[in-house]
Amino acid sequence: NAGVMQNPRHLVRRRGQEARLRCSPMKGHSHVYWYRQLPEEGLKFMVYLQKENIIDESGMPKERFSAEFPKEGPSILRIQQVVRGDSAAYFCASSPYGGDREQYFGPGTRLTVT
Amino acid sequence: AQSVSQHNHHVILSEAASLELGCNYSYGGTVNLFWYVQYPGQHLQLLLKYFSGDPLVKGIKGFEAEFIKSKFSFNLRKPSVQWSDTAEYFCAVNARNNNDMRFGAGTRLTVKP
Repeated sequence: NAGVMQNPRHLVRRRGQEARLRCSPMKGHSHVYWYRQLPEEGLKFMVYLQKENIIDESGMPKERFSAEFPKEGPSILRIQQVVRGDSAAYFCASSPYGGDREQYFGPGTRLTVT
Repeated sequence: AQSVSQHNHHVILSEAASLELGCNYSYGGTVNLFWYVQYPGQHLQLLLKYFSGDPLVKGIKGFEAEFIKSKFSFNLRKPSVQWSDTAEYFCAVNARNNNDMRFGAGTRLTVKP
């Protein structure tokens, strides 16, 4: 059973470009979470999705950030018009349960905005 | 909303030393508690978890953690560390029936051979 997959592992974007980060959950997991990790800080919750639904986006910045988890294919975290402050590691996690249970993490995507 | 504090940013130990990493949370309700570990170059892995029952929880690789409700703490312990335990350790708290898992800032453990 393959683990949570994320790609790309490293992404470099210039200011103003769009960044698309992909996450394929573990087989059988229908709950996906996105987190952001800034240097010297812990992981910050961004959004929780189930197939075709956003369940909780309380941690997402109101502008430029969006997430989806379509019926088919990976979950996508999209950042429009990136700025230097978006540079961070973005982690995806999945769970078969949802809610307050344990999550299984992917290797992360390190986004660098130049 | 809940928050999590990990008191030690970087801990350096020699092999065979005992380990205790502190974790405190602030939340008045019922919580689920987790410790995750991130080995160099790898993704986060679940070390152990507490939902209910015996407050002393045993995890993988000889780690254990004790939930002390009165102190809002969930400290991680290991009697004798090995060089291979060098990693970053994250405490996480999730309010029961909530989607929002909160992580501490992490503690980097370096074990000298």
